[in-house]
Amino acid sequence: EVKLVESGGGLVQPGRSLKLSCAASGFSFNDYWMGWVRQAPGKGLEWIGEINQDSSTINYTPSLKDKFTISRDNAQNTLYLQMSKLGSEDTAIYYCARALTSYWYFDFWGPGTMVTVSS
Amino acid sequence: DIVLTQSPALAVSLGQRATISCRASQSVSTSSYNLMHWYQQKPGQQPKLLIYDASNLASSIPARFSGSGSGTDFTLTINPVQADDIATYYCQQSRELPNTFGAGTKLELK
Repeated sequence: EVKLVESGGGLVQPGRSLKLSCAASGFSFNDYWMGWVRQAPGKGLEWIGEINQDSSTINYTPSLKDKFTISRDNAQNTLYLQMSKLGSEDTAIYYCARALTSYWYFDFWGPGTMVTVSS
Repeated sequence: DIVLTQSPALAVSLGQRATISCRASQSVSTSSYNLMHWYQQKPGQQPKLLIYDASNLASSIPARFSGSGSGTDFTLTINPVQADDIATYYCQQSRELPNTFGAGTKLELK
């Protein structure tokens, strides 16, 4: 069974950093592109970015490129999202998802982890 | 960025047909693919893939869901609507980076 579980969310002060993790199981993690999507409270989905199998290609939505860094550890079957200079606008549920590159869609999503940026 | 426009809400009766539209600000089709995908999200849950490449049903998705369209205009159809289908539906394009999502259409009971 494919399983993605995010962790690392919580309450963080404005201007601080936070690193999220996504533990993958039930599939060959190093064969897939992976991505991050977020959803602010009561709002729609926002594509953050994606990373290929060997981390040689990482794509970001331009507005987040200088704040967020996506990485992965294939030995640990884990995807990461390093977030810096957090502001209230970054308050959201953060989802990791598996990408299928035949048509570039997300076929499996984790349950998400909530990040709240507040003093 | 490619902007995807969806109506905010759609009211439908159980057993009837629901048609949810998504319009792209530029074509998301190539000669071989229609790079538009649909997701369902219920309150408190993560999104779930329904349709990929405009018209392909994802695994385990009931046949009452279908998708169509090409270029800039796409449609998700649910026929007949069941109570379990009450959710928010999002389109997503993967034709260009950054990938983008529509704002979502909330399916409500009439």
